[in-house]
Amino acid sequence: GEDVEQSLFLSVREGDSSVINCTYTDSSSTYLYWYKQEPGAGLQLLTYIFSNMDMKQDQRLTVLLNKKDKHLSLRIADTQTGDSAIYFCAESSGTYKYIFGTGTRLKVLA
Amino acid sequence: NAGVTQTPKFQVLKTGQSMTLQCAQDMNHEYMSWYRQDPGMGLRLIHYSVGAGITDQGEVPNGYNVSRSTTEDFPLRLLSAAPSQTSVYFCASSGLDRGEQYFGPGTRLTVT
Repeated sequence: GEDVEQSLFLSVREGDSSVINCTYTDSSSTYLYWYKQEPGAGLQLLTYIFSNMDMKQDQRLTVLLNKKDKHLSLRIADTQTGDSAIYFCAESSGTYKYIFGTGTRLKVLA
Repeated sequence: NAGVTQTPKFQVLKTGQSMTLQCAQDMNHEYMSWYRQDPGMGLRLIHYSVGAGITDQGEVPNGYNVSRSTTEDFPLRLLSAAPSQTSVYFCASSGLDRGEQYFGPGTRLTVT
């Protein structure tokens, strides 16, 4: 079945860039998402990209999509301590079954 | 405008008990879904609905039932609770445009 994989942990220093990576297996994925989860809360959408796009930029966030390698990345520029959270990659194809990755816990060191 | 609400916030059940987790949204969203979140496994889709009267199974539907009698409400029923159902449960809703899913605050369920 479909699968979405992410590394579990990432640690960066405040002010550096963070890059969170995700790979997916469903070649028919049409929408790819990045969600953020803060402690004790639900998930909040950061950004999403259509599969016919290579890149999307939104303020400090840059999403890159390599459809050939089924690889999605989220770059956070000038990472702040408030960016510490769990980041989930998710994909959706023709159905309404959203598949989420395991989440990457980002820790920002002051 | 409350968004997506879930009750209860915390629940402890004994093995074999049944209960219903409530979810409601006030955004007139057609799509609603239930996920469970377990450490190291991300979110897994249990059931979803694309409108009143329509439900379908996700990745991990066994042991759970849903119904969608109104646009606003999408309750999740545990028929006979098992320790393997100890988890955090999230309800979410969105339009059918596959844009943002709005998540509720979650229900932390422990089955002993």
